[in-house]
Amino acid sequence: AQSVAQPEDQVNVAEGNPLTVKCTYSVSGNPYLFWYVQYPNRGLQFLLKYITGDNLVKGSYGFEAEFNKSQTSFHLKKPSALVSDSALYFCAVGNAGNMLTFGGGTRLMVKP
Amino acid sequence: DTAVSQTPKYLVTQMGNDKSIKCEQNLGHDTMYWYKQDSKKFLKIMFSYNNKELIINETVPNRFSPKSPDKAHLNLHINSLELGDSAVYFCASSQRYSGGGETQYFGPGTRLLVL
Repeated sequence: AQSVAQPEDQVNVAEGNPLTVKCTYSVSGNPYLFWYVQYPNRGLQFLLKYITGDNLVKGSYGFEAEFNKSQTSFHLKKPSALVSDSALYFCAVGNAGNMLTFGGGTRLMVKP
Repeated sequence: DTAVSQTPKYLVTQMGNDKSIKCEQNLGHDTMYWYKQDSKKFLKIMFSYNNKELIINETVPNRFSPKSPDKAHLNLHINSLELGDSAVYFCASSQRYSGGGETQYFGPGTRLLVL
């Protein structure tokens, strides 16, 4: 069975500061890891994914994520937060059958 | 142009009724999915179809019946609606289902409220 944990329900950060949203996973076999963002009353938007290769993955809107196999983590990062980044962020792990298991989500609040 | 579209956007109905939610994707993808997001924002896969064939059925009650008339459409029919069915239902699609790592693209969601 595969699982994802997002240990923080909410992350607060000041605009212009770096942000990190944490994610740890458990899966047998190679992990396929994703980050999605959900704005209020909207669907999920794909941000980035890790399949193989470089541990640092760059995605949309200036976000990046670092895959750490030893710590089974895939934390989402951005060097300088914007108020418009405030949203609900989901980490997900996929298997070879492309079945995604999502974490519980982390609400990011960026304050001016 | 909307890549993955769902209708209706909102659905309010009484317990015991039967309702359908439609999903269409214009991305040319082979695989489509239905997810349920509950009131605590927890997302769980319900079904996936590849080229009109059922691939995943995650122990969803048989009151839920997906139907895929062609690979661009995956509709969800729900019989005898219950209060616990109230949720946001998301449709998604991906290029294919096998091999892992396929990006899934989500529709805007259908907010179902059962009274």
